[in-house]
Amino acid sequence: GAGVSQTPSNKVTEKGKYVELRCDPISGHTALYWYRQSLGQGPEFLIYFQGTGAADDSGLPNDRFFAVRPEGSVSTLKIQRTERGDSAVYLCASSSTIEHNNEQFFGPGTRLTVL
Amino acid sequence: AQSVAQPEDQVNVAEGNPLTVKCTYSVSGNPYLFWYVQYPNRGLQFLLKYITGDNLVKGSYGFEAEFNKSQTSFHLKKPSALVSDSALYFCAVRGRSSGAGSYQLTFGKGTKLSVIP
Repeated sequence: GAGVSQTPSNKVTEKGKYVELRCDPISGHTALYWYRQSLGQGPEFLIYFQGTGAADDSGLPNDRFFAVRPEGSVSTLKIQRTERGDSAVYLCASSSTIEHNNEQFFGPGTRLTVL
Repeated sequence: AQSVAQPEDQVNVAEGNPLTVKCTYSVSGNPYLFWYVQYPNRGLQFLLKYITGDNLVKGSYGFEAEFNKSQTSFHLKKPSALVSDSALYFCAVRGRSSGAGSYQLTFGKGTKLSVIP
């Protein structure tokens, strides 16, 4: 079956612009997570959804970052007024439930470069 | 707060030799522990997890990991390394509480494994 997909695979933008990153989770997975991976680092948690609602957005670095999941499936991470420090690989993951022992399945990521 | 330490940025091992990638963790209470592997330009792939029970966990591609509660460690091992095992390996931890922030995975910085032919 299809895994987690993310589009675009690469995004280059200019400082100050707005970007949207899309995640399509594994069909039927109710939990969806966003992480950010900077060069040489492990993924860092941003936000997770249980269904349509953002259950924990404590990892979002500031109010320029926002994510939605309006129908409980596809999610979009939105970044306003991008800054060079936002450059990173943005990873999406999904799991069948939010139970702590469930592994998360990751997409290939979107590499964001802010010039 | 929970954290993971992977003390080695890089591990080099000859093909056919056993390999170990080290991981220690800090979490309140008992942990759930995971290993993921990342190949170039690809997402993280799940290798194995420790939930409860037997301290030795077996996973994909011949990998296994040993949970040691007293040393708060979860080292990844394989008896005989393959060149194709060369990749970036991440250890991750999750607590068992139900409070805010408990559902996120906390990752280490990663260890680059190079298997030399």
